Amino acid sequence: DTGVSQNPRHKITKRGQNVTFRCDPISEHNRLYWYRQTLGQGPEFLTYFQNEAQLEKSRLLSDRFSAERPKGSFSTLEIQRTEQGDSAMYLCASSPSQSGTYNEQFFGPGTRLTVL
Amino acid sequence: QKEVEQNSGPLSVPEGAIASLNCTYSDRGSQSFFWYRQYSGKSPELIMSIYSNGDKEDGRFTAQLNKASQYVSLLIRDSQPSDSATYLCAVNDDDSWGKLQFGAGTQVVVTP
Repeated sequence: DTGVSQNPRHKITKRGQNVTFRCDPISEHNRLYWYRQTLGQGPEFLTYFQNEAQLEKSRLLSDRFSAERPKGSFSTLEIQRTEQGDSAMYLCASSPSQSGTYNEQFFGPGTRLTVL
Repeated sequence: QKEVEQNSGPLSVPEGAIASLNCTYSDRGSQSFFWYRQYSGKSPELIMSIYSNGDKEDGRFTAQLNKASQYVSLLIRDSQPSDSATYLCAVNDDDSWGKLQFGAGTQVVVTP
């Protein structure tokens, strides 16, 4: 399968614990994005990378959230001191380099986080 | 506050009929527009991209874009029960090439 992959698919944790998610983009894509989606809402942008550089981070994102893409391939998203409000589907997407006006993003299956 | 607005639905469509979904956006500088299909409990799947005013057809799907009216729509012809899903409209953020702004989605239910 050459699509975007995410692990784990499901994570249940207790409030206050740290969690880390991994995303492997489509191999030839150098842009990688993280979104969060709650029930009944569209995905909400969190951050994105071009290669290993983190180019933008949402102003809505708490300091408890951090993302890395150290070698420009896979990425990790860490949430420290989780809160019940962090419960959501965390989506990763990738796209090829910007070409003209195109920015087609392809999503992975997501990681569903439940904070008890 | 940049916004992407969609009717939440549900939009009930008889099998074989045309489903018409609408989306308006507030960022006048947006250049790229996308429709994603999302089945319950699954991630969004890209089904259409459109960048120029007018119509773009792909199989049973037609996307229509009117930048002057800040309006993009999706038509699904010959609707099938497998088209029952939530359809998300996404618009690129003019200030940030990385960011897509999503609407909350329109739920479509195709009835046999």
